Amino acid sequence: GAVVSQHPSWVICKSGTSVKIECRSLDFQATTMFWYRQFPKQSLMLMATSNEGSKATYEQGVEKDKFLINHASLTLSTLTVTSAHPEDSSFYICSATESRGSYNSPLHFGNGTRLTVT
Amino acid sequence: GENVEQHPSTLSVQEGDSAVIKCTYSDSASNYFPWYKQELGKRPQLIIDIRSNVGEKKDQRIAVTLNKTAKHFSLHITETQPEDSAVYFCAAQSGGGADGLTFGKGTHLIIQP
Repeated sequence: GAVVSQHPSWVICKSGTSVKIECRSLDFQATTMFWYRQFPKQSLMLMATSNEGSKATYEQGVEKDKFLINHASLTLSTLTVTSAHPEDSSFYICSATESRGSYNSPLHFGNGTRLTVT
Repeated sequence: GENVEQHPSTLSVQEGDSAVIKCTYSDSASNYFPWYKQELGKRPQLIIDIRSNVGEKKDQRIAVTLNKTAKHFSLHITETQPEDSAVYFCAAQSGGGADGLTFGKGTHLIIQP
């Protein structure tokens, strides 16, 4: 089955530093990748949609200058949390799809990254 | 944009009984409805999905029904087992996969032994 690898699985950083999270599709080409954030005991909230070779589309309320997304290839997307603050502490999960036109393909999720900002 | 409502937020059933989780969506253009199971600290796992051209789908103890007219869909788990305990999320998607999923708020399913 389709595998999405996300790295790191957890990270602790100091306030004001930046953290990069990688999301790789291992055995398929991910036309589109999505980044979600999940606070404890809450649902997954879509942050942005990342299309290979173009700028990411951010959901309302998500700061694009704070959450930098790069989708340089069909198998890799990165999320960089810049100048992290304690309120950015959360579980970040990427997902990828081998979307084919008008046919919805299942999303495959990475294992998530637990970010703790001290 | 799409809005997905999910009920109940917590569901406790006796082992062996059935569990039903219901979701409604707002965007009539949504055409794909997956259900995910998430255990604590782990990624969501797709357990079943249904597309808008189908009214019902079944996979062993799990079934999903979709009513496009009423814009609601439900997850049915029969003969529940302890390992079914988890948080379940419904979701809706449109745009042929180009749009991200909109998730419901989740249902914490507890299977009582």
